[in-house]
Amino acid sequence: GAGVSQSPSNKVTEKGKDVELRCDPISGHTALYWYRQRLGQGLEFLIYFQGNSAPDKSGLPSDRFSAERTGESVSTLTIQRTQQEDSAVYLCASSRTPGGETEPQHFGDGTRLSIL
Amino acid sequence: AQTVTQSQPEMSVQEAETVTLSCTYDTSESDYYLFWYKQPPSRQMILVIRQEAYKQQNATENRFSVNFQKAAKSFSLKISDSQLGDAAMYFCAYRGYKLVFGAGTILRVKS
Repeated sequence: GAGVSQSPSNKVTEKGKDVELRCDPISGHTALYWYRQRLGQGLEFLIYFQGNSAPDKSGLPSDRFSAERTGESVSTLTIQRTQQEDSAVYLCASSRTPGGETEPQHFGDGTRLSIL
Repeated sequence: AQTVTQSQPEMSVQEAETVTLSCTYDTSESDYYLFWYKQPPSRQMILVIRQEAYKQQNATENRFSVNFQKAAKSFSLKISDSQLGDAAMYFCAYRGYKLVFGAGTILRVKS
């Protein structure tokens, strides 16, 4: 489809395992964002990519979290040694250009991560 | 740093009635955008309406309109003729180069 695609849609894993979440942005969108949404709460910014580089990683909660983007397209968010507090919905968004532009961010459906 | 505050955790409205969701924000920037997003149980974030800060005219999209008070840093959403499909979590968001979201307001629509 033409929208932002995230996979998997649901992920259940045991505490201590590593997980990898994938985001396919809209083709041609140079800016890509990852957000986290804990149950019943608003979105927390995690990281922003412009092309393949990440000028803002300020939202990553710990060094267990990392993300990369290749080919100015697909991005993966990796969480190592998962903890129960990592349980949340992880949302990815993309836009044609970053910040202050008229083009809004387009969101995927998110990955619901549950840590047992 | 920019902050967005939604002071109403939950609101209810009767079908066909009008409801207003509140949002205030704090920023030192003069040029920015404000958005309202709707998140139904499906989790997808749907853009409802957006407002450019430099425009004085309030944005309108069909049954959705905003009351943008730049000096007061207020950005409320009015939903007219509420429908059952409007039931969702609504997020107010500020945008510099990244979005800053409020905590959300759950809207329940009663038939």
